[in-house]
Amino acid sequence: AAGVIQSPRHLIKEKRETATLKCYPIPRHDTVYWYQQGPGQDPQFLISFYEKMQSDKGSIPDRFSAQQFSDYHSELNMSSLELGDSALYFCASSWGLPLIPGANVLTFGAGSRLTVL
Amino acid sequence: SQQGEEDPQALSIQEGENATMNCSYKTSINNLQWYRQNSGRGLVHLILIRSNEREKHSGRLRVTLDTSKKSSSLLITASRAADTASYFCATDAGGTSYGKLTFGQGTILTVHP
Repeated sequence: AAGVIQSPRHLIKEKRETATLKCYPIPRHDTVYWYQQGPGQDPQFLISFYEKMQSDKGSIPDRFSAQQFSDYHSELNMSSLELGDSALYFCASSWGLPLIPGANVLTFGAGSRLTVL
Repeated sequence: SQQGEEDPQALSIQEGENATMNCSYKTSINNLQWYRQNSGRGLVHLILIRSNEREKHSGRLRVTLDTSKKSSSLLITASRAADTASYFCATDAGGTSYGKLTFGQGTILTVHP
């Protein structure tokens, strides 16, 4: 079965550079979530989209932006990268309105590991 | 800020033994979920328990939820070396934020063959 696809899997950037991560949700999933997991840390919610509209926002820095496109894939754009942005970035997808109980068992991608030097 | 506190932080057992991990949370929830993560890899959903449920089983997994104590436990019976991973609980507050999970710090489980 198709899973959540994230690219690239690994990315190395210099400080102050820009990075873009992509996420392709499971077919027919209309909700996408982004999480950030620092080394030895638990995943932290960044932002989510439902039907191409932002549905919720967490601890996402102003230097980061994201969007969901008409084909439901999502991109996380990170600018002015800092050393502290080095982390594993997960995308997850689910089906259904965020308000429907039980519709929100998330399927996570394998993650994109960003290293900022 | 984290919602969940998990204990123990690390657990080392022998194959065939049972492993119990606990999770506490602070705010009201709609459901609580457990995830597994192999070293530096993706999160795999294991089981979801709703706030009106007290216990749930799935294969060798048993989850309990005590909303009065704001705590949950995950029991893995007859553990195998392949169960070695980090285990996270995650709470979903529901309301307008279904799917926005708040994760605990995780328990690192090592199962020795």
